[in-house]
Amino acid sequence: ILNVEQSPQSLHVQEGDSTNFTCSFPSSNFYALHWYRWETAKSPEALFVMTLNGDEKKKGRISATLNTKEGYSYLYIKGSQPEDSATYLCASPQAGTALIFGKGTTLSVSS
Amino acid sequence: DSGVTQTPKHLITATGQRVTLRCSPRSGDLSVYWYQQSLDQGLQFLIQYYNGEERAKGNILERFSAQQFPDLHSELNLSSLELGDSALYFCASSTQQASNVLTFGAGSRLTVL
Repeated sequence: ILNVEQSPQSLHVQEGDSTNFTCSFPSSNFYALHWYRWETAKSPEALFVMTLNGDEKKKGRISATLNTKEGYSYLYIKGSQPEDSATYLCASPQAGTALIFGKGTTLSVSS
Repeated sequence: DSGVTQTPKHLITATGQRVTLRCSPRSGDLSVYWYQQSLDQGLQFLIQYYNGEERAKGNILERFSAQQFPDLHSELNLSSLELGDSALYFCASSTQQASNVLTFGAGSRLTVL
């Protein structure tokens, strides 16, 4: 099973700070890269799915980029708010089917 | 409500016992996935079914088994339970393609005493 790695493991920022996380994945046999947000006591919810090298996706203050050649994706949050506090997971399909998740980056935003 | 229904929400049992977790996928989704989330671990992929057939297998123990029925609901059977099997078990569904997002259920929290 391919390894999907995320860094940092956790992050604490102040309200209004911008931040970013990294997801790395094997670049061979790439199919897609997913980002999910997992809030405490809830289920993971999809943020983005990216499939092409150079893809950039944006949803409000959150955006993501993808580099399939070097096997990494960045998730950016601009002007963090307390409601952005969550664990952010990235995932990549194994052999084009099951999604393998990284361990996530847990973001805490203080007001 | 995500449309993926998992039962039971909570389950407490003893070591050596057997339990069954149930999942109904979102309407129209043919693929069901099972994931385990233990303390300090990420989401560990267990197994995937598509339209009744096993499609992919991850880190699923031999004591665990699963199946997907003709009505597309799925069951995960956990037997000879050990303390270390205590975890949150998520079911997710999708329309199958690799680029399609997963929709997660609320999870079943299993506690083995």
